[in-house]
Formats: sequence, C-alpha cells, structure tokens
Amino acid sequence: NAGVMQNPRHLVRRRGQEARLRCSPMKGHSHVYWYRQLPEEGLKFMVYLQKENIIDESGMPKERFSAEFPKEGPSILRIQQVVRGDSAAYFCASSPSASGRATQVGEQFFGPGTRLTVL
Amino acid sequence: RKEVEQDPGPFNVPEGATVAFNCTYSNSASQSFFWYRQDCRKEPKLLMSVYSSGNEDGRFTAQLNRASQYISLLIRDSKLSDSATYLCVVNRAYNFNKFYFGSGTKLNVKP
Repeated sequence: NAGVMQNPRHLVRRRGQEARLRCSPMKGHSHVYWYRQLPEEGLKFMVYLQKENIIDESGMPKERFSAEFPKEGPSILRIQQVVRGDSAAYFCASSPSASGRATQVGEQFFGPGTRLTVL
Repeated sequence: RKEVEQDPGPFNVPEGATVAFNCTYSNSASQSFFWYRQDCRKEPKLLMSVYSSGNEDGRFTAQLNRASQYISLLIRDSKLSDSATYLCVVNRAYNFNKFYFGSGTKLNVKP
C-alpha cells in the first residue's frame, strides 16, 4: 500500500509564475489536508478537502491560493503569481473517512512534501 | 486562544536523560490524541497515539489527562537519535475529521 505521494518534491518558480503542487492520498483515504511550513517555523494548516468538496479553508490566504480534490486524480494546491514569501515546504496528509460518531479514527499520514523556492 | 499549545523549547539534554513534554488543548470535545515526530526538513510521522489509560512504547510513555486537558510525553534514556521536534496533535471526528497541531517542542540530545 503506497503512502501519500506528492510531486514535485522540489519546485523552483520565479516571482509572478504559477505553482501547482500535487498530492495523491493513501489508497482508501478520502480526506486530504494541506499544510505549509516556513523555514524554522511550525506546521500551519491551510485547507481540508474531501472528494469534490472543500471542508475547511480557514488557513488559506484569501488571494492567489486555491485547492481542489476532484473526483478522479490527485488533490492540487495552486498558487498564482508566486512571491518570495511563498517559499516553504508544503505537506499533504490524508486520513480515512470519519463516521459521524467516530471516537478513534486514526492518524493522518503525511507525504514527503514539496519544497517550493521562489526566486 | 490556540487549540493546542506546547512549549517550543529547545530542550537540551544529555544522552541517557529522561525528558518530559506537556501539551494543553482548549476544546474539551477533542476525541483522539497523538504525538508526532518531525525531523529537520522531513514530514511529520506518528510516534504514538495517546489513550486515556496511558500507554507505553519502549522508552516512550504518553499520558492523557482529560480533566485538565493536557497530554504528556516522557522519553527515558534519551538517545542522540531522539533529537527532533515533537508535535502534539488532537482530533475531533464528530464533525468531519479535523486535526489540530501544536507548534512543536524541539529536543536536542547531546553526547
């Protein structure tokens, strides 16, 4: 059972370009989460998605950032018109679906991350 | 108030020492609790789940105190390889499956 896959592992963009980060969750997982980690800082939640639905995007910057998790294919985090401050590691995680009254649904599994560098 | 709070450290300890981290959470409806470990420039990985009765895995012991809303991690006989950042995580699954991460506690084990 392959783990969470992210690609590319490293991405270099010039200011003003677009960055697309992909995440394929573990088999059987229907929940995807994106996190950003700036150098020497903690993990910051960005967005939580299920297939074709955004559940919680409270951590997403209001502009330039968007995320989707289509019915088929990987989840995509898209950053338009990148700026130097977007340089960070972007981690994706997945978890199994939760029933309404689940009390122990297990942990999240993380992908290896995409390291974005904006020149 | 943050959902999950941790002392950022760093905790600098010699090899063989015992070290303990605490973490507090703000929402009493939190259901599941975990400690993750993150090495420099790597993804977080599950260290252990935390159960109400407390649980132990080798040199690591985790405790949960629901009344006081805190979680602890005890590491005995520290090894150099234990140097990492330890993340406290809580989960509420009754309304979708949300995870809340602390900012992490950095541990440096010195020879």
